[in-house]
Amino acid sequence: NAGVMQNPRHLVRRRGQEARLRCSPMKGHSHVYWYRQLPEEGLKFMVYLQKENIIDESGMPKERFSAEFPKEGPSILRIQQVVRGDSAAYFCASSMRTGGVEKLFFGSGTQLSVL
Amino acid sequence: DQQVKQNSPSLSVQEGRISILNCDYTNSMFDYFLWYKKYPAEGPTFLISISSIKDKNEDGRFTVFLNKSAKHLSLHIVPSQPGDSAVYFCAAISRGGSEKLVFGKGTKLTVNP
Repeated sequence: NAGVMQNPRHLVRRRGQEARLRCSPMKGHSHVYWYRQLPEEGLKFMVYLQKENIIDESGMPKERFSAEFPKEGPSILRIQQVVRGDSAAYFCASSMRTGGVEKLFFGSGTQLSVL
Repeated sequence: DQQVKQNSPSLSVQEGRISILNCDYTNSMFDYFLWYKKYPAEGPTFLISISSIKDKNEDGRFTVFLNKSAKHLSLHIVPSQPGDSAVYFCAAISRGGSEKLVFGKGTKLTVNP
């Protein structure tokens, strides 16, 4: 009964490189959310996906960031040409259905450090 | 533009005493509120929630109070235990709208033995 799995736990990139963060939702969950926590801040919503669909990406920066949740495999958050300001903890959460925020389970996060 | 505010970055209490964590919000559209607990190197875990139609919800040692007119909620933990030491996040959502949780910055609770 694995929980939400995120990998890698820690990712170090140099400015200009690409970062790929992976999230495998809990078994049976088809809704995935990505949140970002900057240092000394709360978690901020980035994107909400269902299988093969982006439902709400209003929290995603307009450039360099993209997310997908394919029919098979994990959800991927991709950051192109990373900058120092992208350094943060990125959390993925999953749920079985909409409207079930109490049943939202978070992964342990990926700590991205940009040198 | 912080819609959910936790003005105390940290709180320290003695084991056995009451811990009170506070949260204020500005968006009148929020109608559901949640508290999450987060240990270092882990993701947030759901603790307790309250709908805007209620003013109190209790679950064991944890009670959440909501004052809609003041746009204020609080989490009471009694009695506090050392294992409660963690960062507590207040979050809010407008259930008729998007699925986005809006989080406060968190309060780090330390319960001293």
